Amino acid sequence: NAGVTQTPKFRILKIGQSMTLQCTQDMNHNYMYWYRQDPGMGLKLIYYSVGAGITDKGEVPNGYNVSRSTTEDFPLRLELAAPSQTSVYFCASSWTSATNEKLFFGSGTQLSVL
Amino acid sequence: EDKVVQSPLSLVVHEGDTVTLNCSYEVTNFRSLLWYKQEKKAPTFLFMLTSSGIEKKSGRLSSILDKKELSSILNITATQTGDSAIYLCAVEAATDKLIFGTGTRLQVFP
Repeated sequence: NAGVTQTPKFRILKIGQSMTLQCTQDMNHNYMYWYRQDPGMGLKLIYYSVGAGITDKGEVPNGYNVSRSTTEDFPLRLELAAPSQTSVYFCASSWTSATNEKLFFGSGTQLSVL
Repeated sequence: EDKVVQSPLSLVVHEGDTVTLNCSYEVTNFRSLLWYKQEKKAPTFLFMLTSSGIEKKSGRLSSILDKKELSSILNITATQTGDSAIYLCAVEAATDKLIFGTGTRLQVFP
């Protein structure tokens, strides 16, 4: 019973490098989300998806891209890493809208950009 | 702009104390308010409050939604060291999106 799996758990990037944070869920959830959490702060929504082939921007989408080619996978892409993107990234999923179902969170990816 | 504000930002208490955490919101088209507990890693769900369910209780934790005051409180009675965590409040304002507050960091000492 894996739930929501994120990889990697930790990563250090140099400024200007690119990388993809992987997220996969095995619960057949339609809704998937990417959040970032800066130290001492709450979670900010980056991007979300309501189903395969459908994505939309959240509160802080700049510097990121996503795709949703399958129900299971929702990767987050950083093209030109900047120090401002140092944060903990959480992927989450749910059956439907978060009002009707609690979110299932992955264990997070700690990213440092130096 | 939709906003969720939590207070206090930080709280230090001793075991056995009772604490009250606050969450206020300014959003359009309020749908629900959720409380999460975050220890070392991912947040875990505590309660969801809606217009049809404004009070929830689970063991020593309870939460009330005040739609008139646009706020919610989370009460923890007889605190234990295991209650030490960040408590996050989130509000759904528009379909499919949650807006999180900054969280309250609770530290419970023996």
